[in-house]
Amino acid sequence: GAGVSQSPSNKVTEKGKDVELRCDPISGHTALYWYRQSLGQGLEFLIYFQGNSAPDKSGLPSDRFSAERTGGSVSTLTIQRTQQEDSAVYLCASSPGRRTSYEQYFGPGTRLTVT
Amino acid sequence: GDSVTQMEGPVTLSEEAFLTINCTYTATGYPSLFWYVQYPGEGLQLLLKATKADDKGSNKGFEATYRKETTSFHLEKGSVQVSDSAVYFCALSDSRGGSNYKLTFGKGTLLTVNP
Repeated sequence: GAGVSQSPSNKVTEKGKDVELRCDPISGHTALYWYRQSLGQGLEFLIYFQGNSAPDKSGLPSDRFSAERTGGSVSTLTIQRTQQEDSAVYLCASSPGRRTSYEQYFGPGTRLTVT
Repeated sequence: GDSVTQMEGPVTLSEEAFLTINCTYTATGYPSLFWYVQYPGEGLQLLLKATKADDKGSNKGFEATYRKETTSFHLEKGSVQVSDSAVYFCALSDSRGGSNYKLTFGKGTLLTVNP
């Protein structure tokens, strides 16, 4: 079946612009996670969704970052007033979200470059 | 908080050599442990996992044993192939009884296998 998809695959933006990154999870997966992969910081957790709610936003680095999930499916990560330090690969993962089945399946990522 | 420390790379081996990548963790609860692999140009894939002490995860000839007494989860393979060249990430997840299985990753180890 279809895996996790993310769009765009690459995004180049100018400093100060807003960007939206999209994640389409595996159908039926209730849990959705965003991570960031950068050279300096490695792989970092950003935010966790269970359904449309985000009970854990502890990894969002600043208030310029926000995310939402609608219909228990698609999620959008928005970065406002982008800075060069936001350049990274943004990964989305989804999971059945059950105690007996919580393995995360990752998308290919969106590579964001802020110039 | 939770943390994962894995040996820094890069690691360069000849084909059929024995591989060990060390991983130790710090966690307050009872985490599940994972090894993820990222092949060149591809997304993160789960390689193996172990959910409780003394469990051994195995896949594609790779093995790792959950050692609670040494808080370790070292990855081993008896005979590596060129196709094993990738970045390997050790990770833990501790939901603390809830439904948030966010992953905490190590920095990653780049493995290159030469023919």
